[in-house]
Order: sequence, then C-alpha cells, then structure tokens
Amino acid sequence: GQNIDQPTEMTATEGAIVQINCTYQTSGFNGLFWYQQHAGEAPTFLSYNVLDGLEEKGRFSSFLSRSKGYSYLLLKELQMKDSASYLCAVLDSNYQLIWGAGTKLIIKP
Amino acid sequence: DTAVSQTPKYLVTQMGNDKSIKCEQNLGHDTMYWYKQDSKKFLKIMFSYNNKELIINETVPNRFSPKSPDKAHLNLHINSLELGDSAVYFCASISGQDYNSPLHFGNGTRLTVT
Repeated sequence: GQNIDQPTEMTATEGAIVQINCTYQTSGFNGLFWYQQHAGEAPTFLSYNVLDGLEEKGRFSSFLSRSKGYSYLLLKELQMKDSASYLCAVLDSNYQLIWGAGTKLIIKP
Repeated sequence: DTAVSQTPKYLVTQMGNDKSIKCEQNLGHDTMYWYKQDSKKFLKIMFSYNNKELIINETVPNRFSPKSPDKAHLNLHINSLELGDSAVYFCASISGQDYNSPLHFGNGTRLTVT
C-alpha cells in the first residue's frame, strides 16, 4: 500500500529552527508537496520538490531524497504565526496525491 | 478576488437528511476536486472533474453525488446523511491537468451530523 509518515506533533521555540520530516512509500513518484494548514483554515501551498536537493524560499526550505523516500521541511527564525499543521503529499505514478496526516507544530514564546 | 469559494462554511444537520455543498472557482482552472478531511486530519480525495467530466471517483458511498454544471462549478450532494459523514469538506482546483502545480483550496465546509 501507499504510505506517508510524519510526526504527529512537534514543539519549538520562537526564533529557533525546526525540521519536519516526511518519509513515503508510494507506487511511483512525480513530486512531493508541502502545505501549511492553520486551524480551521484551508491548506496553502508551501513547496514542491521533484528533484533531489534543497529548495529555499525565504524562511522555509524543503529537501528531497528520492532514493531514501525522504523529505523534510525546514523552518527558520520561527514566528508565532508559524503554529500550524504541515502536510506532506506525494504525487504517485498515476498523478494522484497521497497525503500524510500532517504534523502539528506548536511554537512557544 | 480570484479564489475558490464554497458554501456554506458550517452545516449542522440531522441523520437521514439530504444536503448540498456548493463550490465555485474563478481562476479559470479546468480540474476541480472534492476532498474530505476527517478528525485525524487525513485529506482523502473523493472526486475529481476535468472540464465537467468525472475523472476520479474514489471509493465513496453512492450517497455522495457530485455535479459539475460547468467547469467553474463543482457541487456535492449528500443523501441520507450519517454520523460518519461529519468532517470538513474541501473543494480544490488546479490549472488544466498539470498535476504538479499547487492545489487551490476553498475555505472548507464543516459538516456536523447529529
């Protein structure tokens, strides 16, 4: 079967750095997405990786290793507004999105 | 504003009732989706339409029937509501069938069945 694993919850301190990991086993791979979802709101797009390596976008970076079936989202200079769930999703060989359950990130002052 | 909009935002109803959720996007996208997000936060695809044609129909009870009158609208009708239907339902769209482009989500409809 297809599977996406992420930690359920993480806690970090304002101003710090946090890394949210995602491992996947899917039938084929056509890219990996990270979305941010604040409580009671819709998911919003953060990043898309299809090639190995690190993609940096401001305070957020996303890394992919296809051989390891692994990605991480790195958040720097954490702000209180970064408290949200972070969803990892993989596009499989049929171009269907397989979603993880999300990692709830709690930022403490 | 260009967006995906869905109504209503909240829907509270009793078991056995029939209800509809409406979705409209003015982004000019060709592909629209319905997703269900349960209490464990998993997003599960229910249906996908491309230019009014059904292209994905996951294992969903036939009490759920999507309708796409045109490519900008995708409505969801649910018959004989059950307690397990309580969830947040998200409409989403992407441009064409460019599946590696980001999904644009509506704000969700929180359905509570009592």
